Amino acid sequence: ETGVTQTPRHLVMGMTNKKSLKCEQHLGHNAMYWYKQSAKKPLELMFVYNFKEQTENNSVPSRFSPECPNSSHLFLHLHTLQPEDSALYLCASSQGQWSSYNEQFFGPGTRLTVL
Amino acid sequence: DQQVKQNSPSLSVQEGRISILNCDYTNSMFDYFLWYKKYPAEGPTFLISISSIKDKNEDGRFTVFLNKSAKHLSLHIVPSQPGDSAVYFCAATRFGAGNNRKLIWGLGTSLAVNP
Repeated sequence: ETGVTQTPRHLVMGMTNKKSLKCEQHLGHNAMYWYKQSAKKPLELMFVYNFKEQTENNSVPSRFSPECPNSSHLFLHLHTLQPEDSALYLCASSQGQWSSYNEQFFGPGTRLTVL
Repeated sequence: DQQVKQNSPSLSVQEGRISILNCDYTNSMFDYFLWYKKYPAEGPTFLISISSIKDKNEDGRFTVFLNKSAKHLSLHIVPSQPGDSAVYFCAATRFGAGNNRKLIWGLGTSLAVNP
């Protein structure tokens, strides 16, 4: 595996379900990111981890819970979501959050549908 | 309030001609600008960047121009090829709290290159 991988690629869940999204990077990077992409909106940064420490939480509702056990893995735990949470969830990594212009490498995303 | 604006949601050009994608920003503290390209069902991929101390950066068929006084940048693709058909995102970055950077994204412009 190379680059940034995300599983699952597609997920349909009910509002009472609990599910998790997984991201793994094989680039030796130290920063990892969760983004949400909704129709007609810019990419919304949700969370950032730099050296496994959370450095950004962009006022994300608590029904989204990130976990970063090491620099290569990032999870997004989902619980009692709402239909408006349906979106493409993208994971990205970068060398470090301090790096010169912070070029980020993205995974293919998880298309989430909440019924 | 969107700090990075891509006012054209879509653009259509003929193969072999020039594609010009535009981006405007409001925050004069941004010091790096990046362009990403996104195909359907894939994450964005980094294309080219420019530092605020430069006014032009070229990489093969892709050139980015920066006009700081107008707070405007543009991506030129010459010659355009059908494989360039994708959504192009403009992003800007600056150091924030704790010397960490984050990317601020535009809405994207969908480019169609017609054979």
